[in-house]
Amino acid sequence: ELKVEQNPLFLSMQEGKNYTIYCNYSTTSDRLYWYRQDPGKSLESLFVLLSNGAVKQEGRLMASLDTKARLSTLHITAAVHDLSATYFCAVDPRRTDKLIFGTGTRLQVFP
Amino acid sequence: GAVVSQHPSWVICKSGTSVKIECRSLDFQATTMFWYRQFPKQSLMLMATSNEGSKATYEQGVEKDKFLINHASLTLSTLTVTSAHPEDSSFYICSAPAREAPNTGELFFGEGSRLTVL
Repeated sequence: ELKVEQNPLFLSMQEGKNYTIYCNYSTTSDRLYWYRQDPGKSLESLFVLLSNGAVKQEGRLMASLDTKARLSTLHITAAVHDLSATYFCAVDPRRTDKLIFGTGTRLQVFP
Repeated sequence: GAVVSQHPSWVICKSGTSVKIECRSLDFQATTMFWYRQFPKQSLMLMATSNEGSKATYEQGVEKDKFLINHASLTLSTLTVTSAHPEDSSFYICSAPAREAPNTGELFFGEGSRLTVL
């Protein structure tokens, strides 16, 4: 059974600090997605990673993909309160556009 | 950019009734759309794939007779929850891949439809 696990599940961090969210998956996939979800809302696309070694950055967020290690990271730099949300990674192992979502990481940034 | 729209955004119904949720691609054609379900404080789970011109395919454990899917056109898929019960209360989200060049692998998600069954 394909598993996509995120670590940590819950993260409370102070503004200005850095932290990394990890996404491990159990089968081969060279497509990995990161999404943000605010309470009561749908998903907002953050990053689409399509190859081994892919690195993308947008503002205070940077995502990377290591397909050999079956690992993606979402790095947060100098966190601000507006980043508080739940973050999901998702994989598409068969390139069918059917996503297998991770467990989610709930991020809370406090002053 | 491509937009996927869902309607209604929320619905409350009585147990035993049926509810229809629409998913539309607004500025692109989608021969395939996907339906996900998200229970409170949980992740998203794929329910089924909606295929224009053919039957939907369902994930293991999803009752096809309960969750009827119709892909009526290249821009519209509908999910009907039949004989809804409180345990069907959930957040239903559709997605569609954009196929315009260059293919970035981008997937677009609707705004979601929150169903509450009393």
